[in-house]
Amino acid sequence: DAGVIQSPRHEVTEMGQEVTLRCKPISGHNSLFWYRQTMMRGLELLIYFNNNVPIDDSGMPEDRFSAKMPNASFSTLKIQPSEPRDSAVYFCASSSDRKGGDTQYFGPGTRLTVL
Amino acid sequence: DQQVKQNSPSLSVQEGRISILNCDYTNSMFDYFLWYKKYPAEGPTFLISISSIKDKNEDGRFTVFLNKSAKHLSLHIVPSQPGDSAVYFCAASVNNDMRFGAGTRLTVKP
Repeated sequence: DAGVIQSPRHEVTEMGQEVTLRCKPISGHNSLFWYRQTMMRGLELLIYFNNNVPIDDSGMPEDRFSAKMPNASFSTLKIQPSEPRDSAVYFCASSSDRKGGDTQYFGPGTRLTVL
Repeated sequence: DQQVKQNSPSLSVQEGRISILNCDYTNSMFDYFLWYKKYPAEGPTFLISISSIKDKNEDGRFTVFLNKSAKHLSLHIVPSQPGDSAVYFCAASVNNDMRFGAGTRLTVKP
């Protein structure tokens, strides 16, 4: 298995532009998570899906952020319009439902720079 | 609201010695705790976990200890190796809701 795949690996854009980050979870996993990593706040959970349904989006910073999961093998995180403070590394992770806790498997991340 | 805290942003130890990374949490509902390791330009990778019904879990050089009454978690690495140099994230979860600490950067000096 190729693991969690994220694209692009790096994105540089100008303030005000739309940014779309993509994620392909591990096949067979039914939970998908989007995280943001910054120096100040570490790893923050933005949103997670279970069986393609958004379960908790309380971590989404504001309405400029939106996430979708149209099917079990693909998810997007969109920022529109982007701002310099959105610059961070965005990770996608997936896991399979299992009682007693879940190990999440992370993708390599997308480093976003908003100028 | 930081439910999981790693108060030491960095730790430096000598090769062969023990590394102890600490983590505190506030939510008593957490029932599963994990440590992740992260190298630069890579995503975090799972290292070791422990269920709330246990107080210790060991895997080779890595041991995780859980003190529920103190809401404290620690990771022991012994002996430490230069390849262990990375950022270590503590995580706690309940019902698929996982919260991470800010991370501790471990440097193991040869």
